[in-house]
Amino acid sequence: AAGVIQSPRHLIKEKRETATLKCYPIPRHDTVYWYQQGPGQDPQFLISFYEKMQSDKGSIPDRFSAQQFSDYHSELNMSSLELGDSALYFCASSLYTGGANTEAFFGQGTRLTVV
Amino acid sequence: AQTVTQSQPEMSVQEAETVTLSCTYDTSESDYYLFWYKQPPSRQMILVIRQEAYKQQNATENRFSVNFQKAAKSFSLKISDSQLGDAAMYFCAYRSFYTGANSKLTFGKGITLSVRP
Repeated sequence: AAGVIQSPRHLIKEKRETATLKCYPIPRHDTVYWYQQGPGQDPQFLISFYEKMQSDKGSIPDRFSAQQFSDYHSELNMSSLELGDSALYFCASSLYTGGANTEAFFGQGTRLTVV
Repeated sequence: AQTVTQSQPEMSVQEAETVTLSCTYDTSESDYYLFWYKQPPSRQMILVIRQEAYKQQNATENRFSVNFQKAAKSFSLKISDSQLGDAAMYFCAYRSFYTGANSKLTFGKGITLSVRP
């Protein structure tokens, strides 16, 4: 079965550079979530989209932005990168149906290292 | 806001033995979902088991079962016949029931489980 695809898997950037992370949800899934997991930390919710509209927002820095496209894939844009942005970034997707969401399935994550 | 607490940072179990991982949560909602996720060294987040708060019966998935105590807001995971492949970080997570498309997960800090051969 198709899973959530994230690209790239690994990314190394210098301070103050920009990074773009991509997420391709499971086919037919209409909701995408982004999480950030720092070293030794639990995943923290950043932002989510439903049907190409932002549905919820968590602790996402103003330097970050995201969107969901017509094909439901999503991109997380990160500018003016800081050392503290080094983390594993997860994307998850689910299907909103009947007034509730199905299980959220996670991608394998993008490991961002800022040097 | 909901909070999830995993107070044990590490646990160890002998292969083939049983281990219980603890989790407590705080919420004012009456309906919600609780999950246990496994994160092995590959860092993939894998759903282990899920519990709907409105269900009295504890969820089970093969060697994995939960003890859900709604009044005590406790949600522990029991792993029976532990295997070397069970070694991982385990996260307890909460999700609201009536949030429509806003179904984000709130995670606990996680517990590292090691399995001794």
